[in-house]
Amino acid sequence: DSGVTQTPKHLITATGQRVTLRCSPRSGDLSVYWYQQSLDQGLQFLIQYYNGEERAKGNILERFSAQQFPDLHSELNLSSLELGDSALYFCASSVDLAGEYNEQFFGPGTRLTVL
Amino acid sequence: GESVGLHLPTLSVQEGDNSIINCAYSNSASDYFIWYKQESGKGPQFIIDIRSNMDKRQGQRVTVLLNKTVKHLSLQIAATQPGDSAVYFCAENIRGYSTLTFGKGTMLLVSP
Repeated sequence: DSGVTQTPKHLITATGQRVTLRCSPRSGDLSVYWYQQSLDQGLQFLIQYYNGEERAKGNILERFSAQQFPDLHSELNLSSLELGDSALYFCASSVDLAGEYNEQFFGPGTRLTVL
Repeated sequence: GESVGLHLPTLSVQEGDNSIINCAYSNSASDYFIWYKQESGKGPQFIIDIRSNMDKRQGQRVTVLLNKTVKHLSLQIAATQPGDSAVYFCAENIRGYSTLTFGKGTMLLVSP
């Protein structure tokens, strides 16, 4: 158990809908990362938040957004869903001390299926 | 469990064999590399890392080799066990950045 929790574990929805995925980082970790894992693309970095502020952005679509709350949990919002958004979505957290890489601990993921 | 990827290269070995999983990384500026293991239905889990000032690092039953000249990374697993069956990813990081870039992954299947 990494200490990172994600809910829900599975989510099934229809095209055009909007969903929210939730992540709670390990105790003491200030950074949260979101990744998308699909069959075709592997693990793709989407976005990173550090202590409530956006720090880095990867291949995140404009239909997707995220935020990190004062208690450090994070939510990833996916809107106008398309079939191609079906994937595993992982959250990871790290201490993220400045100037160096810190190990990222991954949650168990949320499986999103868009029908 | 859930399938992580149906389009991954697959390495099939017998229990007790040594396994070698390879990875070609993309960015010559990357200076820190990590191998992750992902079991079915779970998130990636750290296995071993190596910095660019090294060419070899050993852990428990695992060894990572780095060849910066050809931008190649390998993971060697000694005496492979059925519990080693998983998808293995390499990831690269550039100093000063907190983000990772993952490779495509290799599925390791270990037969008893």
